[in-house]
Amino acid sequence: AQSVTQPDIHITVSEGASLELRCNYSYGATPYLFWYVQSPGQGLQLLLKYFSGDTLVQGIKGFEAEFKRSQSSFNLRKPSVHWSDAAEYFCAVGFGNEKLTFGTGTRLTIIP
Amino acid sequence: GAVVSQHPSRVICKSGTSVKIECRSLDFQATTMFWYRQFPKQSLMLMATSNEGSKATYEQGVEKDKFLINHASLTLSTLTVTSAHPEDSSFYICSARVGGGVRETQYFGPGTRLLVL
Repeated sequence: AQSVTQPDIHITVSEGASLELRCNYSYGATPYLFWYVQSPGQGLQLLLKYFSGDTLVQGIKGFEAEFKRSQSSFNLRKPSVHWSDAAEYFCAVGFGNEKLTFGTGTRLTIIP
Repeated sequence: GAVVSQHPSRVICKSGTSVKIECRSLDFQATTMFWYRQFPKQSLMLMATSNEGSKATYEQGVEKDKFLINHASLTLSTLTVTSAHPEDSSFYICSARVGGGVRETQYFGPGTRLLVL
C-alpha cells in the first residue's frame, strides 16, 4: 500500500532563514505529488504539485519542491521564510483517480 | 483558481441532534468531492468519496448510516452527521477534484469545526 512519511513533526526556523521540509513516499510507480499548507483553523491550500516532467517544481508563495526518484522524495524548500509561513504543511501522494494519501504533517514555527 | 466553500464554518450542537455541512465548488463543476476528518494536531483522514448522482463510497471503518453524504448537483455535496455524539466533535474538511488524468488536483474547503456537547 502507498504511504507518505514526513519525518519532522515540528521545525523551528528563524525568519529569513532557508527552509526544507522532507517528504518520502512508498509507491509502486511514480505517483502524483502534492504539498499543501494549512493555517490554524483553516482548510488546505495547494502550494505546488508534480505530475511529470521537470523535477523541480515552482509553487506559490515562493516555495519550490524537487522530486528525486532515486530517493523517493519530494522535499519542499523556500530560500527565505517569512513569519506568515508559520503553518502546518502536508505532503500528499495520489495516482490517477485514486484517493490522496497524506503525510502526518510538519508544523513550522518561525522565530523573529 | 478553483474555490471551494463550506458552510457552516463552525457549529455547536447538542448530543443526539443531526448536523448538516455543505460543500460547494464556486467556480467549477465537480463530479467528485471528498470528505475528510481531522483530529487536533493530526493529518486528514478520508471518510468518503462523494460522486454526483450516485452513492458515496465510504472508507473502511466509517459508518455510512451515521455520516450521510448527498451529492445532488455538480457543485454541492452535503455531509450530515446524524445523532451526533461528543466523539464526533472534529474538524471536517471537504475537497473537490478538478481535471482529469495528469491534471487532476484536489482543492479544499476551509473546513467546518463541529463541537457536540
